[in-house]
Amino acid sequence: GAVVSQHPSWVICKSGTSVKIECRSLDFQATTMFWYRQFPKQSLMLMATSNEGSKATYEQGVEKDKFLINHASLTLSTLTVTSAHPEDSSFYICSARDARGRAGNEQFFGPGTRLTVL
Amino acid sequence: GENVEQHPSTLSVQEGDSAVIKCTYSDSASNYFPWYKQELGKRPQLIIDIRSNVGEKKDQRIAVTLNKTAKHFSLHITETQPEDSAVYFCAASRPGYALNFGKGTSLLVTP
Repeated sequence: GAVVSQHPSWVICKSGTSVKIECRSLDFQATTMFWYRQFPKQSLMLMATSNEGSKATYEQGVEKDKFLINHASLTLSTLTVTSAHPEDSSFYICSARDARGRAGNEQFFGPGTRLTVL
Repeated sequence: GENVEQHPSTLSVQEGDSAVIKCTYSDSASNYFPWYKQELGKRPQLIIDIRSNVGEKKDQRIAVTLNKTAKHFSLHITETQPEDSAVYFCAASRPGYALNFGKGTSLLVTP
């Protein structure tokens, strides 16, 4: 149980285009999902907290108009990188918490999406 | 907000030796302290976690200790094996909040 998927696993796009990344909880409901970004040889940095049915909460320094987050259901959150540039190239990872809180604070991570912007 | 410091950034041990990674946190309201192992290009994998009502937890070769007063927690790996080589992250969080990660420790276990 507690499986989180992400799609796509990798994507290469041209500068200026938009890319959508999906995060799904497959066998549990997640009222809260988190989006992290990880640059090479660095730690995971929280970008935003995504709450089902409400607006996402963004961390300081993360542009909400550039990184659009939608959490329309209890099993799906999407991150859209708009007008992507080479500096947005990174490893994007989502995580989800079980809405029933059966695992306490534990978060379940998706496999990540490698974004390369040319 | 929460600030998690992790040391050392790199650690090299010989197979069979023990490895210890230490973290400190700043938010006294944090109550959940997981440790993750991450291999290149893959998701973080939870290897052990501890909650603030417990001082120590062990799972085979892996143990975690927590000192709430000093706000630090440590990961201990005994009888290390080459397959333990990876990047290890500590994290801390308040109930219901996102995880705050340390900067990571690159562990190398040499045969």
